[in-house]
Amino acid sequence: DAGVTQSPTHLIKTRGQQVTLRCSPKSGHDTVSWYQQALGQGPQFIFQYYEEEERQRGNFPDRFSGHQYPNYSSELNVNALLLGDSALYLCASSRQGAVGQPQHFGDGTRLSIL
Amino acid sequence: AQSVTQLDSQVPVFEEAPVELRCNYSSSVSVYLFWYVQYPNQGLQLLLKYLSGSTLVKGINGFEAEFNKSQTSFHLRKPSVHISDTAEYFCAVSDNGNKLVFGAGTILRVKS
Repeated sequence: DAGVTQSPTHLIKTRGQQVTLRCSPKSGHDTVSWYQQALGQGPQFIFQYYEEEERQRGNFPDRFSGHQYPNYSSELNVNALLLGDSALYLCASSRQGAVGQPQHFGDGTRLSIL
Repeated sequence: AQSVTQLDSQVPVFEEAPVELRCNYSSSVSVYLFWYVQYPNQGLQLLLKYLSGSTLVKGINGFEAEFNKSQTSFHLRKPSVHISDTAEYFCAVSDNGNKLVFGAGTILRVKS
């Protein structure tokens, strides 16, 4: 049973560029959430997708956008990259309606902005 | 709004000693509480969760936590730690099981 998979593992970009990160949820899960974890901090919620729509959003600018596909996989897009966007980006999946059930996390994508 | 405070940024402890990692939360509604562990260069792994019922929750790797509603705390404990427990531990709260609000983390350093 495959868990949450994310790609790529590492990525280096320069300021002003755009990036796309990808996530495949755990089998049986239909909801994907994205988190940003800056160095030395806890993860911060970016947004959550269910039924191909953004359902909840954290305190992140519009430069952060996402998409969910019919097979439940998801993408996180970040435009006009800033140095402060350097972080570990974590994807988590869960099953909608399974209230209180934990989210399962992938190993993340480490994004470095030069 | 919900928030989580992890009271210690780092906790050094000798192998086979007991350890407690402290977590306080604030929320205006009933919450679900979680502890996750993160090993270097990895994602988050669930240690244990509190949804309802018994306030003492047992998790993996010998960890347990106690939910204290009056003190709004959810401290993590292990009676005897091992070198392999060295990692960063995150306490998290959710009001609907979806969006998680995390604390800043506590680094547990187990020394031989």
